[in-house]
Amino acid sequence: EDKVVQSPLSLVVHEGDTVTLNCSYEVTNFRSLLWYKQEKKAPTFLFMLTSSGIEKKSGRLSSILDKKELSSILNITATQTGDSAIYLCALSTSGTYKYIFGTGTRLKVLA
Amino acid sequence: DAMVIQNPRYQVTQFGKPVTLSCSQTLNHNVMYWYQQKSSQAPKLLFHYYDKDFNNEADTPDNFQSRRPNTSFCFLDIRSPGLGDAAMYLCATSQGRMTDTQYFGPGTRLTVL
Repeated sequence: EDKVVQSPLSLVVHEGDTVTLNCSYEVTNFRSLLWYKQEKKAPTFLFMLTSSGIEKKSGRLSSILDKKELSSILNITATQTGDSAIYLCALSTSGTYKYIFGTGTRLKVLA
Repeated sequence: DAMVIQNPRYQVTQFGKPVTLSCSQTLNHNVMYWYQQKSSQAPKLLFHYYDKDFNNEADTPDNFQSRRPNTSFCFLDIRSPGLGDAAMYLCATSQGRMTDTQYFGPGTRLTVL
């Protein structure tokens, strides 16, 4: 059965810290991995990763996929209180239009 | 702006009283999804459409039905809501290509009294 596991489940840091969130997966026919940020509303798209080793970057956020290790990390540098949210990882597989979500990492950034 | 719109944003219903949630999109995407998300949990896929082809998840209760009358609109019908159906209901779309992003609407928060 396809599975997505995120760690840690929750994290509390102080402003200015750097955090690394992890997403591990077991899927057949991997197609893409997506990261979302969810505050008190619907998830908003951050990154889509399809190729191993290519870093995607947007401001203080970056992400990379390691297909050999079946995992991805999401880095946030110089965290701000506005980064407090749940970060969701989702996978899509070939042959289906479904996305499999992990349970998310709840990040809280203290001022 | 092209987007995914959900109405209403908040819905209160009574135990057993049917309710319909609405989703529309201006992205002209082929695939539309309905997810249920309860507090502190990941979104759980209920069903999805590729165009008019309906795909139900095996563990979606029969109490949940969906309609997609055209490309732009998709509805979630909950025939007899129970207290356990109180949740955020998220509609999402994707183009349906090999490398694809899924876009979410703002969600409808359902309360069952």
